[in-house]
Amino acid sequence: DAKTTQPTSMDCAEGRAANLPCNHSTISGNEYVYWYRQIHSQGPQYIIHGLKNNETNEMASLIITEDRKSSTLILPHATLRDTAVYYCIVSPNSGYALNFGKGTSLLVTP
Amino acid sequence: ETGVTQTPRHLVMGMTNKKSLKCEQHLGHNAMYWYKQSAKKPLELMFVYSLEERVENNSVPSRFSPECPNSSHLFLHLHTLQPEDSALYLCASSQELVGGSNYGYTFGSGTRLTVV
Repeated sequence: DAKTTQPTSMDCAEGRAANLPCNHSTISGNEYVYWYRQIHSQGPQYIIHGLKNNETNEMASLIITEDRKSSTLILPHATLRDTAVYYCIVSPNSGYALNFGKGTSLLVTP
Repeated sequence: ETGVTQTPRHLVMGMTNKKSLKCEQHLGHNAMYWYKQSAKKPLELMFVYSLEERVENNSVPSRFSPECPNSSHLFLHLHTLQPEDSALYLCASSQELVGGSNYGYTFGSGTRLTVV
């Protein structure tokens, strides 16, 4: 399985864009990049996923580099409710389920 | 409400008790999962079911026993647990097993288990 590397923590001012990076240099051609977030003591919430092209939905944008070795999740206007742990996950080339790492703890401050 | 309902939300049990955690989804998903999250640790995959058949068991101790009677329900039966089993137990479902594009997992809110 491709492993991911994320910063342990990040801060962002409310109203600003939060840019969360993820490295996945060993990703295979048919593996997807998924992003989830987990607000304290709740179940993780799906945010977005992509293969090659950049993706956008009502929650966030996902920018994947051309070589697919890294990606960035963008929350365009962070709010206090976006404070959470954000997980970048590469879908397994084999196996049956997503494996969550330690993620990035994002703190949005007033 | 995510569409995946877990009960109970909180559970305190003694080491000699037997209890069960319940997970229910009416999203029409075919795959269901149990994860464990201990304090300040990443989620650990425990069990995976696809169309009511167990397809993965991640070396989980036998004191945890899953059951999937139909595609909408998943149980985790607990017996003779240890204090270190105290954790947040999360259930998730997905349209299909991961391996291609899908819209990801839908998680329940979890059961906070304390073993005393």
